[in-house]
Amino acid sequence: AQKVTQAQTEISVVEKEDVTLDCVYETRDTTYYLFWYKQPPSGELVFLIRRNSFDEQNEISGRYSWNFQKSTSSFNFTITASQVVDSAVYFCALSGGSSNTGKLIFGQGTTLQVKP
Amino acid sequence: GAVVSQHPSRVICKSGTSVKIECRSLDFQATTMFWYRQFPKQSLMLMATSNEGSKATYEQGVEKDKFLINHASLTLSTLTVTSAHPEDSSFYICSASLWAGGSDTQYFGPGTRLTVL
Repeated sequence: AQKVTQAQTEISVVEKEDVTLDCVYETRDTTYYLFWYKQPPSGELVFLIRRNSFDEQNEISGRYSWNFQKSTSSFNFTITASQVVDSAVYFCALSGGSSNTGKLIFGQGTTLQVKP
Repeated sequence: GAVVSQHPSRVICKSGTSVKIECRSLDFQATTMFWYRQFPKQSLMLMATSNEGSKATYEQGVEKDKFLINHASLTLSTLTVTSAHPEDSSFYICSASLWAGGSDTQYFGPGTRLTVL
C-alpha cells in the first residue's frame, strides 16, 4: 500500500528563518512520482514540484529547495529566508505504481506559520 | 499555463436541494479530472476519478447516486450534489490532469465551499 507521512502538524517560525518540512513515503513500486503542493488560506492548491523516482537530483527554485533521498524514502522541502507569505498548509503527495491511474496519495499536511 | 477554474466559489443552499459545481481546465485539455473533499484542518479526500466520455470511478464509501459526476468534454467536469444535507457541507476541490514529461501532474481549482442549511 502507498502512504505519505508528514509528521509535523504545525510549524511556527519567525520571518527570515529557514524551515524544513518533512515528508516520508511508502510504496512498493519502482516507478512513482512525488509532489509538493501549497494551500494558502484562500484554499487553492498550488503545484510546487514534481519529482520522479529515477531522478534523485536535488532541486532549487529561488528560496525553495527539495531533497529527495530514496534510501530513506524521504522528499523534504526547505524554505530559505522564510517570509510571511509562505504561511500556508503544505502537502506532500505520491502517485504512480503499476495501475498508474494518476491518483494522488496525500500526506496530512504541515501548517506553516511565518511570523513577522 | 495549467489553470483550472471552479464555479461557484461559494454556495449556500437549503437541505434537499441539488447543487452543481463546474470544473474547467482553461488552457489545456484534461482527459482525467479528479474530485476531492476537504474537511477543516484535514487533508484532501479523493471522491472520484472522472474520465472524459466514460463513467466516473468512485472511491470506496462515496455514494455515486449522491455525487453525480459528468465529464462531457476534455475541459469540463461537473459534480452535482443531489438532495444535499448539512453533512454534505464541505470544501470541494477539483483537479485536472496534465500529461507532460511522461507523467501526469494534477492542477487544482480554487475550490467550492458548500454550506447546506
